[in-house]
Amino acid sequence: GESVGLHLPTLSVQEGDNSIINCAYSNSASDYFIWYKQESGKGPQFIIDIRSNMDKRQGQRVTVLLNKTVKHLSLQIAATQPGDSAVYFCAETGSSNTGKLIFGQGTTLQVKP
Amino acid sequence: NAGVTQTPKFRILKIGQSMTLQCAQDMNHNYMYWYRQDPGMGLKLIYYSVGAGITDKGEVPNGYNVSRSTTEDFPLRLELAAPSQTSVYFCASSGEVVSGNTIYFGEGSWLTVV
Repeated sequence: GESVGLHLPTLSVQEGDNSIINCAYSNSASDYFIWYKQESGKGPQFIIDIRSNMDKRQGQRVTVLLNKTVKHLSLQIAATQPGDSAVYFCAETGSSNTGKLIFGQGTTLQVKP
Repeated sequence: NAGVTQTPKFRILKIGQSMTLQCAQDMNHNYMYWYRQDPGMGLKLIYYSVGAGITDKGEVPNGYNVSRSTTEDFPLRLELAAPSQTSVYFCASSGEVVSGNTIYFGEGSWLTVV
């Protein structure tokens, strides 16, 4: 079946360092990937997305990298701040065009001051 | 513009009771979704709808029902609550073109079945 998974359950970084959160996906037909941030007690918040015809996309302090050869997705956060502390999920749309999302388990990012 | 609104925020149910989680969006989105999130896990799709009058099952539909009589509303019904349905429930909606910033999530509904 389709699945999206994350390599590390918890990532602890020093404030100001760069963070890299990884994700593996299994459906080679997926053409759209999204990273979400979820703070405690809240719903997922969109961070950045990427389509399968790209291998890199940059936003404000965030970069998403897509390696379709090994079905790997990563989120890079530059100059990590305490406000970045949250759970991060990758999600893919699989082979559907109805917007259904398949979520990974999540990585908790802890930023140490 | 309220976005996606879910009610109630918190609810405790006894085993066997029934209830409906309400979801409404005011963005005229065709696509609506219900997800559940268990502790430490990602979200799993329960049901979704691509427009009024159309619903379909997601990954974990057992024990739930939905209806979509209007574009705005997408209620989720639990008929016979079980402890396994203790979870956080998120409703979401999106526009025609699937891109991440058009998939809006509600704030969540915390449900405990005892």
